[in-house]
Amino acid sequence: QVQLQESSPGLVKPSETLSLTCNVTGYSISSGYHWGWIRQPPGKGLEWIASTHYTGDTFYNPSLKNRVTILLDTSKNQLSLKLSSMTAADTAVYYCARDWGYSGHYFDYWGQGTLVTVSS
Amino acid sequence: QSALTQPPSASGSPGQSVTISCTGTSSDIGGYKYVSWYQQHPGKAPKLMIYEITKRPSGVPDRFSGSRSGNTASLTVSGLQAEDEADYYCSSYAGSNNVVFGGGTKLTVL
Repeated sequence: QVQLQESSPGLVKPSETLSLTCNVTGYSISSGYHWGWIRQPPGKGLEWIASTHYTGDTFYNPSLKNRVTILLDTSKNQLSLKLSSMTAADTAVYYCARDWGYSGHYFDYWGQGTLVTVSS
Repeated sequence: QSALTQPPSASGSPGQSVTISCTGTSSDIGGYKYVSWYQQHPGKAPKLMIYEITKRPSGVPDRFSGSRSGNTASLTVSGLQAEDEADYYCSSYAGSNNVVFGGGTKLTVL
């Protein structure tokens, strides 16, 4: 059974860089699929951030592209996200998820989500 | 402002049917078959309910169905049950490897 688990610092200061990791169990990320990040500000809707494949094939939300680094570590079966220049508008629950990629960009397995608050 | 437009709320009584709309453009919903719907209960992660406009992943009840007409996709929940009360989000491929979501619809079972 595919399971994803995010970990994060919880609190980030304005202008700093957010670093998140997502442990994947029950499936080897080097076996296929893209793996992505989606966020949800409190009380608001979902926003896709970026997705990547172990081959390096990567997609970005155009509005966030300049601030995002997304990586896969196949040795640890982990997905990571770095989001720079954080502001209060980046306060959200961040989810990692498996992305069907070119087959439709559907997200079928999700982590439970981790709340990231941007505050000094 | 979400790229796809959904009504903020919808409701129905147990056993009834309810349809939630999702309006986009010819650059997303109207241009690709990659339209999906997600269900999200409070405090939980979203769950994929419909993909490729009409298909259901294994385990999703056939009470959930999807359709599309032009630039508008729809999710219909038939035979409403109490556990269907949740937020529902539509999503579409928008070209150039971009994915967009709707703002969400809160479904209330009366």
